[in-house]
Amino acid sequence: AQSVAQPEDQVNVAEGNPLTVKCTYSVSGNPYLFWYVQYPNRGLQFLLKYITGDNLVKGSYGFEAEFNKSQTSFHLKKPSALVSDSALYFCAVRGSGTYKYIFGTGTRLKVLA
Amino acid sequence: NAGVTQTPKFQVLKTGQSMTLQCAQDMNHNSMYWYRQDPGMGLRLIYYSASEGTTDKGEVPNGYNVSRLNKREFSLRLESAAPSQTSVYFCASRSGQVLNTGELFFGEGSRLTVL
Repeated sequence: AQSVAQPEDQVNVAEGNPLTVKCTYSVSGNPYLFWYVQYPNRGLQFLLKYITGDNLVKGSYGFEAEFNKSQTSFHLKKPSALVSDSALYFCAVRGSGTYKYIFGTGTRLKVLA
Repeated sequence: NAGVTQTPKFQVLKTGQSMTLQCAQDMNHNSMYWYRQDPGMGLRLIYYSASEGTTDKGEVPNGYNVSRLNKREFSLRLESAAPSQTSVYFCASRSGQVLNTGELFFGEGSRLTVL
């Protein structure tokens, strides 16, 4: 069975500091991994994905994520946080042989001015 | 392009009432999905449709039915609403062939309250 864990309900970071939002996964076969962001009362917006190839993936708004197969992790990172990055972030996984996208419970990022 | 459109955006029901949430996409996507979002539980998959004419259960299908009316539309029906179905419902779609690696595109959500 597929699963995703986001161990932190909330992450606080000062503006200008680097941020990391953690995600670990479990899936049969090759994983397809995704990060989404949700602003209040809105749908989810796609940030980036890992399918194959380079373990460091770059996405929208300066975000990047590092795929680590041995640790089954896909942490979201940004070198310098902005107050406008404050939102709810979801990690998702899909096994290569399925149609199901399974989401984590979400991590609320709060960037303090 | 509107993307993924959900109606209604808000709905209040009494226990036992029925209703249908509508979803339509104009991106010519093959696959469509229904999720529910609850605090502390993230998004959970209710049903999905890999392609027109097919539907499959997700993680939490009990109490729901779906219809893939055509390639554009995927509706979610609550036959007898219960307070436990109070949630925000999201429809999503995905492009490409059956096992394409594309990301999901989401609608803006439908907020349902069951009293």
